[in-house]
Amino acid sequence: DAKTTQPTSMDCAEGRAANLPCNHSTISGNEYVYWYRQIHSQGPQYIIHGLKNNETNEMASLIITEDRKSSTLILPHATLRDTAVYYCIVSSWAGSYQLTFGKGTKLSVIP
Amino acid sequence: GAGVSQSPRYKVAKRGQDVALRCDPISGHVSLFWYQQALGQGPEFLTYFQNEAQLDKSGLPSDRFFAERPEGSVSTLKIQRTQQEDSAVYLCASSSGLAGRADTQYFGPGTRLTVL
Repeated sequence: DAKTTQPTSMDCAEGRAANLPCNHSTISGNEYVYWYRQIHSQGPQYIIHGLKNNETNEMASLIITEDRKSSTLILPHATLRDTAVYYCIVSSWAGSYQLTFGKGTKLSVIP
Repeated sequence: GAGVSQSPRYKVAKRGQDVALRCDPISGHVSLFWYQQALGQGPEFLTYFQNEAQLDKSGLPSDRFFAERPEGSVSTLKIQRTQQEDSAVYLCASSSGLAGRADTQYFGPGTRLTVL
């Protein structure tokens, strides 16, 4: 199954854009890229997902490279409440469409 | 609308006790997943239901773990003869089951189990 690589941690100044990278070089053509985040002591929260086109919703934007080997999650105006662990996940079949979480990126938004 | 709910939110058990953790998925969601999250780690898959059928239980760590969803809605994860290594947050997620790979899972708040 496809795996992802993310930086362990990142800092972002409050009010600035947070750009979180993810590498998924072994992704297959029909596998989606999902982003979730987990704020301390809460369950993972869905952010956005995409296949090949860039996507935007009220929370974030997802930029997927043309070769689909990497993507970037963009939080346009980070706030302190965006401090969380962000997980990039490739949705692949392994008996079910279970999500395979890695260690994610710990994003700290600094005042 | 209501999201995924789990109860209890916190459970303390003595080693050897049996525990039951409940998940109420989003109404109408066909698919239901259980995950286990150890301290400092990402969630790990335990088992998957489509309606009442348990189609994938490859992630259950031992035969002490048992899950059911008898009427295709509420699910219960049961752990028999709990051990200290079972201490973790147990997360439930549900999805519509209609979109295959593009099916989005929505998570509950989790149950934190501590085995003494």
